[in-house]
Amino acid sequence: DTEVTQTPKHLVMGMTNKKSLKCEQHMGHRAMYWYKQKAKKPPELMFVYSYEKLSINESVPSRFSPECPNSSLLNLHLHALQPEDSALYLCASSPLIRDTNYGYTFGSGTRLTVV
Amino acid sequence: AQSVAQPEDQVNVAEGNPLTVKCTYSVSGNPYLFWYVQYPNRGLQFLLKYITGDNLVKGSYGFEAEFNKSQTSFHLKKPSALVSDSALYFCALYNFNKFYFGSGTKLNVKP
Repeated sequence: DTEVTQTPKHLVMGMTNKKSLKCEQHMGHRAMYWYKQKAKKPPELMFVYSYEKLSINESVPSRFSPECPNSSLLNLHLHALQPEDSALYLCASSPLIRDTNYGYTFGSGTRLTVV
Repeated sequence: AQSVAQPEDQVNVAEGNPLTVKCTYSVSGNPYLFWYVQYPNRGLQFLLKYITGDNLVKGSYGFEAEFNKSQTSFHLKKPSALVSDSALYFCALYNFNKFYFGSGTKLNVKP
């Protein structure tokens, strides 16, 4: 298995809702990432997990809450989002956090719309 | 500070013609450079990387890139474009455990 699987593919949520995005990989990668991508813009790093521990938080608002329950799974919990949070949310993984021999493996993303 | 620049928002080429997508970078120290491609509503796919060694790097789908240290460039090239190459291309610099992406270049290959 050489994929990063993200679910759901599409999500529409109200500003008072609580929802979660899920990311899964079975490549044995120990570093996992959340990125946010607005239309026609480059991805922006949100969080980095290394060995299931949060390593980097790029000053993301607390309405986004990441969780890494095990080495294969990464969640992003969403609460009280704003319409401007609508974007494509990408998950990625790599063998190690400092492994530059490989590019990241990206999932296909979750298209989030906040109404 | 590190940065990546893709000076062209869009590149148009005819199928069968060679293509070049430009990228320049700025970093102190050795650059780790990557190219990714993104199709609509999809994640980024790794094309190729330069870490060290030969300046001409070969990657997936017939793409290659030339690392030029004196010009701080890492242009993506392909000898003969296909319509299926039409997508959004990102150049990226890896430094301090993070990727710094360029703004992206939309490649349009016309039949």
